[in-house]
Amino acid sequence: EPEVTQTPSHQVTQMGQEVILRCVPISNHLYFYWYRQILGQKVEFLVSFYNNEISEKSEIFDDQFSVERPDGSNFTLKIRSTKLEDSAMYFCASSEWGLAGDEQFFGPGTRLTVL
Amino acid sequence: DQQVKQNSPSLSVQEGRISILNCDYTNSMFDYFLWYKKYPAEGPTFLISISSIKDKNEDGRFTVFLNKSAKHLSLHIVPSQPGDSAVYFCAASAQGSNYQLIWGAGTKLIIKP
Repeated sequence: EPEVTQTPSHQVTQMGQEVILRCVPISNHLYFYWYRQILGQKVEFLVSFYNNEISEKSEIFDDQFSVERPDGSNFTLKIRSTKLEDSAMYFCASSEWGLAGDEQFFGPGTRLTVL
Repeated sequence: DQQVKQNSPSLSVQEGRISILNCDYTNSMFDYFLWYKKYPAEGPTFLISISSIKDKNEDGRFTVFLNKSAKHLSLHIVPSQPGDSAVYFCAASAQGSNYQLIWGAGTKLIIKP
């Protein structure tokens, strides 16, 4: 069964450093998403991406964040200058269509720890 | 801004009995509701969804009920099995929002043998 994969599973970085979290969505999916979950808190939407551009983003997704689809398979989230409060589990998701109620398939997550 | 609320952080149910997980929402623009299940160290997995034009959707052991006037939905699992022990998230999306999911805080379901 096709699945969303994410690498690395755990990333430790120093405050102020740049990190790139990588995702490989399901191959025939057209819509891609990033969510994060700070420990003990809700899952929060960050950004959605379609047709090589951001279609929607939340208030969390400020200028420190960027997303890219550098090739036909990868979808990346970059945090330019990490802060302590960026420590969280980051989930990538994809869906075949961007229709309301369309199932989003989630990857296993990348745990980001900022020291 | 808690648009989607799951007020029970945890729920313990005997194996074989019915599990009922509840979710409330405040945003009347939500028109789709989804339930996801999450095991430790894994991403959320889709379970079942319901459109706001329906009041019930069933898939095997899982049934979701929607009460629009009360802005309340519930997930029923019957019979509950040990493998159902997980965190269950209620999520909602609104047409025009590009279908970003707004999540509840989750309810940890524990199935006792």
